[in-house]
Amino acid sequence: ETGVTQTPRHLVMGMTNKKSLKCEQHLGHNAMYWYKQSAKKPLELMFVYSLEERVENNSVPSRFSPECPNSSHLFLHLHTLQPEDSALYLCASSPGTSGRVELFFGEGSRLTVL
Amino acid sequence: QKEVEQDPGPLSVPEGAIVSLNCTYSNSAFQYFMWYRQYSRKGPELLMYTYSSGNKEDGRFTAQVDKSSKYISLFIRDSQPSDSATYLCARAGSYQLTFGKGTKLSVIP
Repeated sequence: ETGVTQTPRHLVMGMTNKKSLKCEQHLGHNAMYWYKQSAKKPLELMFVYSLEERVENNSVPSRFSPECPNSSHLFLHLHTLQPEDSALYLCASSPGTSGRVELFFGEGSRLTVL
Repeated sequence: QKEVEQDPGPLSVPEGAIVSLNCTYSNSAFQYFMWYRQYSRKGPELLMYTYSSGNKEDGRFTAQVDKSSKYISLFIRDSQPSDSATYLCARAGSYQLTFGKGTKLSVIP
């Protein structure tokens, strides 16, 4: 496995379900990110972890709960979502969080909330 | 005012055309700028980055920053159908990137 891998690639869930998105990076990077991509909107930063510590929580509703057990893995736990949460959720990693930040993205998890 | 503004298009050009993609930014303190390319059903991939002002060239691609007008540009020469994708401009912050909406480009054979 190389780069940043995300699972599942597609997820359909009801508003009362609980599910999790998983991200794994094989690049030896120290920082990991969750971004949300909706149609006709810029990528929205959700969370940033640096060396397993959360450094940014960008006013994200509590129904999204991140977890970073180590520098290679990142999860996004989902519960009681709304239809407007349907979007592409992108995980990314970066060598560090200072200086020139370069993000390496996974292919995304397409989430549909019914 | 949004930090990075980008016309979402779509933009359609014939094969071989020169493509110009543009963004504006609001804060003159920004120094690093990047262009990402996103193919359909894929994650964004880094195409080019530039620092401060001036040009940077990589094959058929040229990235340009004009600090006086706060303008970021990406030029694609001899465009190919394989260049059809969404192009995202971004400015680098202390630990994150702030993106424009992306411009969807189609290169017609």
